[in-house]
Amino acid sequence: EIVMTQSPATLSVSPGERATLSCRASQSVNSNLAWYQQKPGQAPRLLIYDASTRAAGVPGRFSGSGSGAEFTFTISSLQSEDFAVYYCQQYDSWPRTFGQGTKVEIK
Amino acid sequence: EVQLVESGGGLVQPGGSLRLSCAASGFTFSPSWMSWVRQAPGKGLEWVANIRPDGSDKYYVDSAKGRFTISRDNAKNSLFLQMNSLRAEDTAVYYCARDLYSGRVWDYWGQGTLVTVSS
Repeated sequence: EIVMTQSPATLSVSPGERATLSCRASQSVNSNLAWYQQKPGQAPRLLIYDASTRAAGVPGRFSGSGSGAEFTFTISSLQSEDFAVYYCQQYDSWPRTFGQGTKVEIK
Repeated sequence: EVQLVESGGGLVQPGGSLRLSCAASGFTFSPSWMSWVRQAPGKGLEWVANIRPDGSDKYYVDSAKGRFTISRDNAKNSLFLQMNSLRAEDTAVYYCARDLYSGRVWDYWGQGTLVTVSS
């Protein structure tokens, strides 16, 4: 099983600032990586897949990069609605696995 | 509008069984891979199972193998998860989700149904 490790666990950011989240896989997942956003009491929302492709309707301030075992997710200018938990997920092999999440909170 | 509506959750004793259902609408269900993903209270996400469009292949997380069975009824646009021999660690919100492509990522999710395993 591929273990996904996200850092940091919590990120405190002011509105308008840039947020950068990391995700590391225990082995290469090529570019088979997705990012999700989850707000309290809501289902997750797909933001990025194939490491850098934005899902339909996702604003341009969200971006992803990386390949192999190291990935980065960036929110270029945080809006109030972006404060949430973000998960990475690999789909290179079974079972599909998620990172433990990074909580982006208001500074 | 795509809608996935789960039902069937509730309180069950350890060792008991529960059958979750997911009613899909707003998209063409029959060619879509479908999945169940769960989230224990206050914890992260865990993929549980998914199923090919025609139901011919099914995949499970190790902890679900031999206890859970995913199935679908394409004529009724419905997805199911039969859960047997339930354990306390199965307590979670169970989400039904549509695969964007071939069992890889999930672009539409239901609101979830809570399963609580406790005596």
